[in-house]
Amino acid sequence: ETGVTQSPTHLIKTRGQQVTLRCSSQSGHNTVSWYQQALGQGPQFIFQYYREEENGRGNFPPRFSGLQFPNYSSELNVNALELDDSALYLCASSPQVVSGGEQYFGPGTRLTVT
Amino acid sequence: AQSVTQLDSQVPVFEEAPVELRCNYSSSVSVYLFWYVQYPNQGLQLLLKYLSGSTLVESINGFEAEFNKSQTSFHLRKPSVHISDTAEYFCAVSERFGNEKLTFGTGTRLTIIP
Repeated sequence: ETGVTQSPTHLIKTRGQQVTLRCSSQSGHNTVSWYQQALGQGPQFIFQYYREEENGRGNFPPRFSGLQFPNYSSELNVNALELDDSALYLCASSPQVVSGGEQYFGPGTRLTVT
Repeated sequence: AQSVTQLDSQVPVFEEAPVELRCNYSSSVSVYLFWYVQYPNQGLQLLLKYLSGSTLVESINGFEAEFNKSQTSFHLRKPSVHISDTAEYFCAVSERFGNEKLTFGTGTRLTIIP
Protein backbone atom coordinates (compact mmCIF):
# COMPACT_ATOMS: atom_id res chain seq x y z
CA GLU A 1 0.00 0.00 0.00
CA THR A 2 1.55 3.32 -1.09
CA GLY A 3 1.61 6.04 1.54
CA VAL A 4 1.10 9.75 1.07
CA THR A 5 3.58 11.24 -1.38
CA GLN A 6 4.41 14.87 -2.03
CA SER A 7 6.29 16.67 -4.77
CA PRO A 8 8.62 18.35 -5.09
CA THR A 9 10.76 17.64 -2.04
CA HIS A 10 12.41 21.04 -2.04
CA LEU A 11 11.64 24.25 -3.86
CA ILE A 12 13.21 27.69 -4.01
CA LYS A 13 11.13 30.61 -5.24
CA THR A 14 11.45 34.38 -5.37
CA ARG A 15 9.15 36.78 -3.55
CA GLY A 16 6.10 37.59 -5.70
CA GLN A 17 6.18 34.33 -7.64
CA GLN A 18 3.54 31.61 -7.59
CA VAL A 19 4.04 27.98 -6.56
CA THR A 20 2.11 24.72 -6.87
CA LEU A 21 2.70 21.83 -4.48
CA ARG A 22 1.31 18.35 -5.14
CA CYS A 23 0.07 15.54 -2.96
CA SER A 24 -1.02 12.00 -3.73
CA SER A 25 -3.21 10.62 -1.00
CA GLN A 26 -3.04 7.09 0.33
CA SER A 27 -5.13 4.56 -1.58
CA GLY A 28 -8.76 4.61 -0.44
CA HIS A 29 -8.52 8.00 1.26
CA ASN A 30 -10.98 10.68 0.12
CA THR A 31 -9.96 13.49 2.47
CA VAL A 32 -6.83 15.62 2.17
CA SER A 33 -5.62 18.32 4.55
CA TRP A 34 -2.75 20.75 4.11
CA TYR A 35 -0.60 22.17 6.89
CA GLN A 36 2.16 24.75 7.02
CA GLN A 37 5.04 24.09 9.44
CA ALA A 38 7.32 27.08 9.94
CA LEU A 39 10.76 26.48 11.42
CA GLY A 40 10.49 25.71 15.14
CA GLN A 41 6.70 25.67 15.07
CA GLY A 42 3.99 23.05 14.99
CA PRO A 43 2.01 22.47 11.81
CA GLN A 44 -0.82 24.95 11.16
CA PHE A 45 -3.99 23.93 9.33
CA ILE A 46 -4.41 25.59 5.94
CA PHE A 47 -7.48 23.81 4.55
CA GLN A 48 -9.10 20.45 3.95
CA TYR A 49 -10.68 18.91 0.86
CA TYR A 50 -13.31 16.18 0.93
CA ARG A 51 -14.52 14.68 -2.33
CA GLU A 52 -13.20 17.64 -4.34
CA GLU A 53 -14.85 20.31 -2.17
CA GLU A 54 -13.18 22.56 0.41
CA ASN A 55 -14.30 21.40 3.85
CA GLY A 56 -12.82 23.88 6.27
CA ARG A 57 -10.12 26.52 6.15
CA GLY A 58 -7.64 27.86 8.66
CA ASN A 59 -6.48 31.42 9.14
CA PHE A 60 -4.69 31.80 5.81
CA PRO A 61 -5.25 34.52 3.18
CA PRO A 62 -7.03 33.80 -0.14
CA ARG A 63 -3.71 33.66 -2.01
CA PHE A 64 -3.49 30.15 -0.53
CA SER A 65 -5.82 28.02 -2.64
CA GLY A 66 -6.25 24.36 -3.39
CA LEU A 67 -7.76 21.70 -5.56
CA GLN A 68 -8.69 18.08 -5.14
CA PHE A 69 -9.00 15.84 -8.19
CA PRO A 70 -11.35 12.90 -8.85
CA ASN A 71 -8.58 10.48 -7.84
CA TYR A 72 -8.36 12.43 -4.54
CA SER A 73 -4.88 13.78 -5.19
CA SER A 74 -4.52 17.43 -4.33
CA GLU A 75 -2.66 20.65 -5.10
CA LEU A 76 -1.80 23.61 -2.93
CA ASN A 77 -1.27 26.88 -4.80
CA VAL A 78 0.27 29.97 -3.28
CA ASN A 79 0.25 33.25 -5.19
CA ALA A 80 2.32 36.37 -4.59
CA LEU A 81 4.83 34.55 -2.41
CA GLU A 82 6.13 36.34 0.68
CA LEU A 83 9.27 35.63 2.67
CA ASP A 84 7.12 34.35 5.58
CA ASP A 85 5.74 31.63 3.32
CA SER A 86 9.06 29.81 3.71
CA ALA A 87 8.11 26.61 5.55
CA LEU A 88 7.58 22.87 5.33
CA TYR A 89 4.20 22.15 3.70
CA LEU A 90 2.61 18.92 4.84
CA CYS A 91 -0.18 17.02 3.22
CA ALA A 92 -2.26 14.51 5.19
CA SER A 93 -4.90 12.10 3.94
CA SER A 94 -7.53 10.08 5.76
CA PRO A 95 -10.30 7.66 4.85
CA GLN A 96 -13.00 9.72 6.53
CA VAL A 97 -13.89 13.31 7.25
CA VAL A 98 -15.12 12.69 10.78
CA SER A 99 -12.99 14.04 13.59
CA GLY A 100 -11.04 11.56 15.69
CA GLY A 101 -9.56 9.52 12.90
CA GLU A 102 -5.90 9.11 12.10
CA GLN A 103 -4.39 11.37 9.48
CA TYR A 104 -1.53 9.99 7.40
CA PHE A 105 1.13 12.57 6.66
CA GLY A 106 3.48 12.83 3.72
CA PRO A 107 7.14 13.80 4.13
CA GLY A 108 6.46 17.39 3.13
CA THR A 109 7.71 19.94 0.63
CA ARG A 110 10.25 22.44 1.92
CA LEU A 111 9.60 25.82 0.31
CA THR A 112 12.18 28.58 0.55
CA VAL A 113 11.21 32.07 -0.58
CA THR A 114 14.08 34.49 -1.23
CA ALA B 1 -11.00 27.88 19.05
CA GLN B 2 -8.38 25.59 20.50
CA SER B 3 -4.76 26.02 21.53
CA VAL B 4 -2.07 23.58 22.61
CA THR B 5 0.92 24.38 24.79
CA GLN B 6 4.07 22.29 24.95
CA LEU B 7 6.26 24.12 27.42
CA ASP B 8 9.42 22.08 26.82
CA SER B 9 10.96 22.71 23.41
CA GLN B 10 13.83 20.30 24.07
CA VAL B 11 14.17 17.38 26.50
CA PRO B 12 17.48 15.51 26.83
CA VAL B 13 17.23 12.16 28.60
CA PHE B 14 19.71 9.38 29.30
CA GLU B 15 19.04 6.06 27.63
CA GLU B 16 16.84 3.75 29.75
CA ALA B 17 15.69 6.66 31.93
CA PRO B 18 12.00 7.65 32.18
CA VAL B 19 10.63 10.68 30.37
CA GLU B 20 7.54 12.87 30.48
CA LEU B 21 6.63 15.31 27.73
CA ARG B 22 4.07 17.84 28.85
CA CYS B 23 1.01 18.99 26.94
CA ASN B 24 -1.75 21.33 28.01
CA TYR B 25 -4.66 22.44 25.89
CA SER B 26 -7.38 25.04 25.88
CA SER B 27 -10.73 24.68 24.15
CA SER B 28 -14.30 25.98 24.44
CA VAL B 29 -15.66 22.69 23.05
CA SER B 30 -15.00 19.00 23.63
CA VAL B 31 -11.89 17.75 21.89
CA TYR B 32 -10.03 14.63 20.90
CA LEU B 33 -6.35 14.47 21.87
CA PHE B 34 -3.39 13.14 19.91
CA TRP B 35 0.35 12.68 20.07
CA TYR B 36 2.19 12.61 16.76
CA VAL B 37 5.89 11.81 16.33
CA GLN B 38 8.20 13.09 13.62
CA TYR B 39 11.40 11.11 13.13
CA PRO B 40 14.28 12.83 11.32
CA ASN B 41 13.50 13.36 7.62
CA GLN B 42 10.12 11.64 7.89
CA GLY B 43 6.48 12.73 8.01
CA LEU B 44 4.36 12.89 11.13
CA GLN B 45 3.09 9.56 12.46
CA LEU B 46 0.27 9.01 14.94
CA LEU B 47 1.67 7.72 18.24
CA LEU B 48 -1.53 7.50 20.26
CA LYS B 49 -4.88 9.20 20.72
CA TYR B 50 -7.63 9.71 23.28
CA LEU B 51 -11.21 9.70 22.01
CA SER B 52 -13.24 8.44 24.97
CA GLY B 53 -13.30 5.79 27.68
CA SER B 54 -10.23 5.01 29.77
CA THR B 55 -8.20 8.15 30.32
CA LEU B 56 -4.93 6.20 29.98
CA VAL B 57 -3.98 5.29 26.43
CA GLU B 58 -0.95 3.34 25.28
CA SER B 59 1.09 2.99 22.10
CA ILE B 60 2.64 -0.20 20.75
CA ASN B 61 6.18 1.01 21.50
CA GLY B 62 5.79 1.63 25.23
CA PHE B 63 4.55 5.24 25.37
CA GLU B 64 1.44 6.14 27.33
CA ALA B 65 -0.54 9.32 27.86
CA GLU B 66 -3.19 10.22 30.39
CA PHE B 67 -6.07 12.58 29.73
CA ASN B 68 -6.72 14.83 32.72
CA LYS B 69 -9.84 16.89 32.11
CA SER B 70 -9.57 19.02 35.26
CA GLN B 71 -5.99 20.04 34.41
CA THR B 72 -6.65 20.09 30.65
CA SER B 73 -3.51 18.04 30.15
CA PHE B 74 -2.42 15.08 28.05
CA HIS B 75 1.16 14.36 29.12
CA LEU B 76 3.17 11.68 27.33
CA ARG B 77 5.32 9.28 29.34
CA LYS B 78 7.66 6.37 28.80
CA PRO B 79 9.29 4.44 31.67
CA SER B 80 12.50 3.63 29.78
CA VAL B 81 13.61 5.39 26.59
CA HIS B 82 15.79 4.05 23.78
CA ILE B 83 18.02 5.71 21.22
CA SER B 84 15.35 5.02 18.61
CA ASP B 85 12.94 7.33 20.47
CA THR B 86 14.94 10.36 19.35
CA ALA B 87 12.39 12.47 17.47
CA GLU B 88 10.13 15.52 17.68
CA TYR B 89 6.85 14.94 19.47
CA PHE B 90 3.74 17.00 18.77
CA CYS B 91 0.61 17.16 20.88
CA ALA B 92 -2.57 18.01 18.96
CA VAL B 93 -6.32 18.40 19.43
CA SER B 94 -9.33 18.32 17.14
CA GLU B 95 -12.92 19.29 17.81
CA ARG B 96 -15.05 16.34 18.84
CA PHE B 97 -17.85 17.27 16.45
CA GLY B 98 -15.91 19.12 13.78
CA ASN B 99 -13.89 18.13 10.76
CA GLU B 100 -10.46 16.61 11.18
CA LYS B 101 -8.61 19.89 11.57
CA LEU B 102 -5.72 19.33 13.96
CA THR B 103 -4.38 22.12 16.16
CA PHE B 104 -0.78 21.35 17.09
CA GLY B 105 1.57 22.49 19.81
CA THR B 106 5.03 23.75 18.95
CA GLY B 107 6.63 20.37 19.56
CA THR B 108 9.17 18.87 21.95
CA ARG B 109 12.47 17.57 20.65
CA LEU B 110 13.41 14.44 22.60
CA THR B 111 17.13 13.67 22.54
CA ILE B 112 18.38 10.41 24.02
CA ILE B 113 21.85 10.48 25.52
CA PRO B 114 23.73 7.14 25.30
